[in-house]
Amino acid sequence: EVQLVESGGGLVQPGGSLRLSCAVSGFTFSSCAMNWVRQTPGKGLEWVSGISYGGDDTYYADSVRGRFTISRDNSRNTLYLQINSLRAEDTAVYYCAKGYYAGSYSPFDSWGQGILVTVSS
Amino acid sequence: DIQMTQSPSSLSASVGDRVTITCRASQGIRNSLAWYQQKPEKVPKLLIYAAFTLQSGVPSRFSGSGSGTDFTLTISSLQPEDVATYYCQKYDSVPLTFGGGTKVEIK
Repeated sequence: EVQLVESGGGLVQPGGSLRLSCAVSGFTFSSCAMNWVRQTPGKGLEWVSGISYGGDDTYYADSVRGRFTISRDNSRNTLYLQINSLRAEDTAVYYCAKGYYAGSYSPFDSWGQGILVTVSS
Repeated sequence: DIQMTQSPSSLSASVGDRVTITCRASQGIRNSLAWYQQKPEKVPKLLIYAAFTLQSGVPSRFSGSGSGTDFTLTISSLQPEDVATYYCQKYDSVPLTFGGGTKVEIK
């Protein structure tokens, strides 16, 4: 069974930092592109960042480029999102999502349960 | 960047009705289009990819069509368990943009 479990969220002050983790199991992590998607409470889905299966290629939404860094450790079956210089508008539930295809441009066939990040003073 | 516009933003229909949701891309995306279903308080679920390919386990009352810039998701006979918000997503290139969502309710 495919499982993706996010951790590392919480309450942080504006300007602060967090590192989100997504531990996966049930599939060959090193063969799959991975992504982060966020959802503001009561609002829609926003793709945030993606990373190729090997980690060589990374992609970011304009809204987070320069503040967020995606990475992965294929030996630990874990995806990360380092989020710096947090703003109130970064408050959201953050999901990790598995790419369905091997390539980086892919729909997402499995999602984690989501982790809440709240930016507030 | 390519924008994805869904319509309507919400709809209310009766059980058994045929429901159609549209998604328009501001530029052509070939058939690199997915549809997701997000039930209240749940995680999004992939329904359709490559514009019309049904994901394994998805009921056959769901179907997708379109290519290029105009796409549709159809529920042939709306069921109570289909109450959800539906999102389209382009994945031809980054950013992998989602549409704004369509909330489907039972009348």
